[in-house]
Amino acid sequence: DAGITQSPRYKITETGRQVTLMCHQTWSHSYMFWYRQDLGHGLRLIYYSAAADITDKGEVPDGYVVSRSKTENFPLTLESATRSQTSVYFCASSDRQGGSSYEQYFGPGTRLTVT
Amino acid sequence: QKEVEQDPGPLSVPEGAIVSLNCTYSNSAFQYFMWYRQYSRKGPELLMYTYSSGNKEDGRFTAQVDKSSKYISLFIRDSQPSDSATYLCAMSARTSGSRLTFGEGTQLTVNP
Repeated sequence: DAGITQSPRYKITETGRQVTLMCHQTWSHSYMFWYRQDLGHGLRLIYYSAAADITDKGEVPDGYVVSRSKTENFPLTLESATRSQTSVYFCASSDRQGGSSYEQYFGPGTRLTVT
Repeated sequence: QKEVEQDPGPLSVPEGAIVSLNCTYSNSAFQYFMWYRQYSRKGPELLMYTYSSGNKEDGRFTAQVDKSSKYISLFIRDSQPSDSATYLCAMSARTSGSRLTFGEGTQLTVNP
């Protein structure tokens, strides 16, 4: 299907485990983003990428790792999950070449629970 | 202090009411202003986009930006139950690339 997809949609993991959240977009957008959404904080940027092999930290990067070897994929890894990383994670993409270059297209989200 | 402040609500109105949603911000470099709508258990989707100050209308929705007061608003006329969602304001500066700064979101319920 065209668009932006995330997997898994739901994940329960234990403290200390490594977990990877996947994001895939079919538009060949140059920019991709990872956010977490928590009550009282709204959407906070974790990491973003301007192109393949170019990534940069956002507002709350600690405890997370990203990579972008292909334009269409932007996985987010929690190296050693903590309970404070329980959240809903959204991936988004954006095409700087488009007319509304600041529009970001969001995936459906991954609900992660760390026990 | 957060760069973008938004009353989280919740806000509950009867069908047909005019709804006013607001955000204030502190970064004077913000030039691009957006409103996203997020239905329960879904990702946000862009509703309105405005550059600099002024008003923009799209059907029942009007976005208003007052840069001198660092204040933006979204008005919904003739509100419908299908408008029940969380509304997030988002902003960006020219130097931010494509990065957006979001408000916390206001949860709106329109009752039939």
